[in-house]
Amino acid sequence: GAGVSQSPSNKVTEKGKDVELRCDPISGHTALYWYRQRLGQGLEFLIYFQGNSAPDKSGLPSDRFSAERTGGSVSTLTIQRTQQEDSAVYLCASSLREGESEAFFGQGTRLTVV
Amino acid sequence: AQSVTQLDSHVSVSEGTPVLLRCNYSSSYSPSLFWYVQHPNKGLQLLLKYTSAATLVKGINGFEAEFKKSETSFHLTKPSAHMSDAAEYFCVVSDRAGGGNKLTFGTGTQLKVEL
Repeated sequence: GAGVSQSPSNKVTEKGKDVELRCDPISGHTALYWYRQRLGQGLEFLIYFQGNSAPDKSGLPSDRFSAERTGGSVSTLTIQRTQQEDSAVYLCASSLREGESEAFFGQGTRLTVV
Repeated sequence: AQSVTQLDSHVSVSEGTPVLLRCNYSSSYSPSLFWYVQHPNKGLQLLLKYTSAATLVKGINGFEAEFKKSETSFHLTKPSAHMSDAAEYFCVVSDRAGGGNKLTFGTGTQLKVEL
């Protein structure tokens, strides 16, 4: 596609429910990143994929968070048993290769846990 | 480990006056550095990047930044602010320490431009 696509754009869920957030990176981009941006704060790194493997998942806040990437393309971030503190905008980005190449960001998924 | 410090959380300037957004970084290796801009309700957009070529980097919309290794700084400047520059700006560092390619974001600087 033309850019990084994320779905849904908005998600309201009840506390305790599981949610899945999807990221469709730019075709051919091997690196994919997930970030979280809480209201009024900077971007918090969650996990990074190179191909289908995740060399760095150090930013996942708890074992309720997991992510996978299949076929070197689409990635899914899953949050189990959501809590109110999970409310944030979840941003996905992709880049052509690791190193100095530019990361292109999606519009994000705004998650609200009520 | 890499890190980025944006020294000002908010900057306010008058239209037509210079802009300076400060950024200092820490990196174990030779880093790549970026500035991203985020307008309200819009996605992050790359303004410019430094990747070990020229130390003075020119970006979009008249912005530029200078990499100063001795000061570990990568400050963003623009000679004359425009109302449309009002946004949040993020300084970002990337290096390959540990074999990874994690982008580390600063906490952001909110730029306000007044008439």
